[in-house]
Amino acid sequence: DAKTTQPTSMDCAEGRAANLPCNHSTISGNEYVYWYRQIHSQGPQYIIHGLKNNETNEMASLIITEDRKSSTLILPHATLRDTAVYYCIVHRAGGTSYGKLTFGQGTILTVHP
Amino acid sequence: NAGVMQNPRHLVRRRGQEARLRCSPMKGHSHVYWYRQLPEEGLKFMVYLQKENIIDESGMPKERFSAEFPKEGPSILRIQQVVRGDSAAYFCASSPGTKTTGELFFGEGSRLTVL
Repeated sequence: DAKTTQPTSMDCAEGRAANLPCNHSTISGNEYVYWYRQIHSQGPQYIIHGLKNNETNEMASLIITEDRKSSTLILPHATLRDTAVYYCIVHRAGGTSYGKLTFGQGTILTVHP
Repeated sequence: NAGVMQNPRHLVRRRGQEARLRCSPMKGHSHVYWYRQLPEEGLKFMVYLQKENIIDESGMPKERFSAEFPKEGPSILRIQQVVRGDSAAYFCASSPGTKTTGELFFGEGSRLTVL
């Protein structure tokens, strides 16, 4: 799996959009970008994933640059409950490596009132 | 539909004792993955099991650790002769299969403390 680089921490005001960047300059053509988050003392929670097109679901939007070397996770209206560590993971899914994710240090997002 | 269930949520053992952590995957899921999170560190993959088979155990310590996922019942992560360095949160995840893309569903974890 390709290496990812994320800022160590970010702050966001409640109600504003949180934009979390991720660099993955060595991503391969068959690798997906996944985002998970871990709220304190809880298990990781899947947020979204994509290959090359932008993706949106009920939790967030994922914007992937055209060259796929970086991406941004957008939480459109952050709440205090979005305070968590956010992990950007590049992963070649499928086969026996399907669930073998490489978690880095992630970005600590703090949403404040 | 219940999520991934792990128990116990908290376990305290003295050095040299055995720890058994259990994981029941989501209904309909036949693939289980165990991860370990040491204090102040990221999650590390340990082992991937499919019913009655170990598929990938590349992240398992070579000694004292074992995992199983029997035909009936939960997956078990067993740690023999625990040491203080085994103190960590152990997370289990499940998936319905190895389709090309998709999410893993994680449990709330089992926190092992070795005295």
